[in-house]
Amino acid sequence: DQQVKQNSPSLSVQEGRISILNCDYTNSMFDYFLWYKKYPAEGPTFLISISSIKDKNEDGRFTVFLNKSAKHLSLHIVPSQPGDSAVYFCAAPGDDKIIFGKGTRLHILP
Amino acid sequence: NAGVTQTPKFQVLKTGQSMTLQCAQDMNHEYMSWYRQDPGMGLRLIHYSVGAGITDQGEVPNGYNVSRSTTEDFPLRLLSAAPSQTSVYFCASGELRGSNQPQHFGDGTRLSIL
Repeated sequence: DQQVKQNSPSLSVQEGRISILNCDYTNSMFDYFLWYKKYPAEGPTFLISISSIKDKNEDGRFTVFLNKSAKHLSLHIVPSQPGDSAVYFCAAPGDDKIIFGKGTRLHILP
Repeated sequence: NAGVTQTPKFQVLKTGQSMTLQCAQDMNHEYMSWYRQDPGMGLRLIHYSVGAGITDQGEVPNGYNVSRSTTEDFPLRLLSAAPSQTSVYFCASGELRGSNQPQHFGDGTRLSIL
């Protein structure tokens, strides 16, 4: 069973606009959620996290929102830049392993 | 400041050959894991370990073995390589339970099975 789901395989956004990447989860016991960014030929790198007791966490152009009642989180990137083109994974630490979504490929259009 | 080191970076094997992908971390993390990434498939968990001497199967364990004799090392063994195992493999380490500390990934091993 897929406890963390990213239902959009890809997303294209105009440079300068807002990018919104979505993630749904099924396990209400997750304490944290993390977003990772991955460029081709590199390993994923950590981007931003949020605690389950918060509904928003902001770091520069990146903001993550958590809606616990809907079991949904989203990553907002404002403004989107060419270097933001990458694959984004949401993840949650479970009791015995880290659960990753399948990722969303973000294309920033000039 | 090595972090997670994976070797080799590239490898070509013939069907039926065996090999070991090495992974080492110098951050004293208890949790380590192996993923494979195929086009359109995201990161699929192969095996993971919550500490030395403890390993468990992930989503796609068939054809792979792991061991964790030390905290630092978590090698992944392909017993008899098959073309379906052509992929990019990532090793990661980090904290686990109740932690917002991120996983640290290696740069990956690109493996081709002919």
